[in-house]
Amino acid sequence: AQKITQTQPGMFVQEKEAVTLDCTYDTSDQSYGLFWYKQPSSGEMIFLIYQGSYDEQNATEGRYSLNFQKARKSANLVISASQLGDSAMYFCAMRGPSNDYKLSFGAGTTVTVRA
Amino acid sequence: DGGITQSPKYLFRKEGQNVTLSCEQNLNHDAMYWYRQDPGQGLRLIYYSQIVNDFQKGDIAEGYSVSREKKESFPLTVTSAQKNPTAFYLCASSKAALRETQYFGPGTRLLVL
Repeated sequence: AQKITQTQPGMFVQEKEAVTLDCTYDTSDQSYGLFWYKQPSSGEMIFLIYQGSYDEQNATEGRYSLNFQKARKSANLVISASQLGDSAMYFCAMRGPSNDYKLSFGAGTTVTVRA
Repeated sequence: DGGITQSPKYLFRKEGQNVTLSCEQNLNHDAMYWYRQDPGQGLRLIYYSQIVNDFQKGDIAEGYSVSREKKESFPLTVTSAQKNPTAFYLCASSKAALRETQYFGPGTRLLVL
């Protein structure tokens, strides 16, 4: 079974600073994918970044980067130069063959950016 | 523009009533999914379908039903057997491969009168 753990229920960050959101996972699969989504107060789920288990480099997408530590089963999201519009809930998710390629989600972390 | 649409945005259900949530996609995706989200919590999978005319139960399928008669459409019915239906319902779709991202619709908020 796959399990995603996000231990930070809520975080505050000052505008223009960086913030790291923790995500650890547990799986018996060798091949799997890790995803981060952003959910603003409107409710839509916005895809941010993807990391494959065999990808040699950490994924980056603009101000988002993924600190992937495979041996530690960790996939932390780093948001650089935080903006007020980054205030939202952030979910870590994974999919793999042992779960029929369905997405398993963590409980989420709420980020509040202060001016 | 390609995307996923869900309707209605808000839905009110009376006791003992079945209601159907619509989900349509024009992304030519094979797989479609329904999730339930309760306040302050993560997403839980209700049903998913990887091809037309086939679907599987997710983690919380009891009290729900689906159909997949067309590739573009995956409606969800919340039946009277679902005793606590008040939640935010999200539909998603993806290509059927490991690296492929799931894209989500805007969601439907279901409230019980």
